Amino acid sequence: KAGVTQTPRYLIKTRGQQVTLSCSPISGHRSVSWYQQTPGQGLQFLFEYFSETQRNKGNFPGRFSGRQFSNSRSEMNVSTLELGDSALYLCASSPGLAGGFFGPGTRLTVL
Amino acid sequence: ILNVEQSPQSLHVQEGDSTNFTCSFPSSNFYALHWYRWETAKSPEALFVMTLNGDEKKKGRISATLNTKEGYSYLYIKGSQPEDSATYLCAFLLTGGGNKLTFGTGTQLKVEL
Repeated sequence: KAGVTQTPRYLIKTRGQQVTLSCSPISGHRSVSWYQQTPGQGLQFLFEYFSETQRNKGNFPGRFSGRQFSNSRSEMNVSTLELGDSALYLCASSPGLAGGFFGPGTRLTVL
Repeated sequence: ILNVEQSPQSLHVQEGDSTNFTCSFPSSNFYALHWYRWETAKSPEALFVMTLNGDEKKKGRISATLNTKEGYSYLYIKGSQPEDSATYLCAFLLTGGGNKLTFGTGTQLKVEL
């Protein structure tokens, strides 16, 4: 069974730009969660999508948004990038309510 | 705001040593406690999911216990090997919280020859 895939793996953007990250979950998994890790911080929950609906949201500004498609693939979007958005973004897929299997992450650098 | 705390923050041990880490979490509205191992440049790997008070789980040389009444879990590694070097994360799942995992900041383990 293929694991969770995330694209792109690395991304460099400049302040003010926007970015879209993609996550393809394990086949059959309907839940996709997104996490941010910055230096010195643990993994911070961004949001969770289940069957195309946002089920949970973390404490992040509205510049961070996401969506899920009917095939369970998910995208997250960050608009008006700030330097502090430089981070590793991980997604996790789950069949229902079971934590998650993580992808390799997307390393975003904002200059 | 939920607080999940892990100690120690980092640990250096010699090959063959046994070691343990602690994860503290809120004892109310508990649903599950997850342990992950995260090696550099890899994805976090799920080790255990623990749901019942008194749960003990084992995977090879690694085991974990859970006390939901007092809000802590221990992870033990017996006979540490260099390949055990990684960051060990615990994550708390709240009742009614969907799949929103609240992570601790991790224990970074370095096993030296």
